[in-house]
Amino acid sequence: RKEVEQDPGPFNVPEGATVAFNCTYSNSASQSFFWYRQDCRKEPKLLMSVYSSGNEDGRFTAQLNRASQYISLLIRDSKLSDSATYLCVVNRGDKIIFGKGTRLHILP
Amino acid sequence: ETGVTQTPRHLVMGMTNKKSLKCEQHLGHNAMYWYKQSAKKPLELMFVYSLEERVENNSVPSRFSPECPNSSHLFLHLHTLQPEDSALYLCASSHEGGAAMGEQYFGPGTRLTVT
Repeated sequence: RKEVEQDPGPFNVPEGATVAFNCTYSNSASQSFFWYRQDCRKEPKLLMSVYSSGNEDGRFTAQLNRASQYISLLIRDSKLSDSATYLCVVNRGDKIIFGKGTRLHILP
Repeated sequence: ETGVTQTPRHLVMGMTNKKSLKCEQHLGHNAMYWYKQSAKKPLELMFVYSLEERVENNSVPSRFSPECPNSSHLFLHLHTLQPEDSALYLCASSHEGGAAMGEQYFGPGTRLTVT
């Protein structure tokens, strides 16, 4: 089993819809979790950290489920500019593991 | 944004050439990273420097040689590369240790083509 797994997509979603991604991790000792966004041919950029209590930043909500070992990202009222690849990142304490990413296409 | 800069942005080199990639961060971080990103593959961590000491080397071939002269600069020296080494090479920085390692700031990358 891979340490960090994501559905590669692509998710094709109409503008204005709500979309959610999950990411599962295998190491129960993982300490902290993050979502990054990567636009085509650009570098990854930190989108948000994922806190145990869940956190929200505008249209974006991140949640952590330690019992089931997954994190989620919810995007509400999606915009064309949300089209990107979303990378799940797990801090195992001794190293950082990046997922392969989920591609999201917002359709006009 | 000029937090993390990388030069050159594009590089084409032959298999017998020697070249170096440069990364500079202006964020006051004390950990720096080299990643390789190939098409349709996840980011592969190559090297980690923390407080200017190499703390991780993920079985990277010796034709890649990192150098971290101070906490703001990181180099990747390239020698006798193979065509399969063609990829986007990304530098990142963060505060060192603990949860801070997950909050990394990336440079724009060097797109390397080995002919």
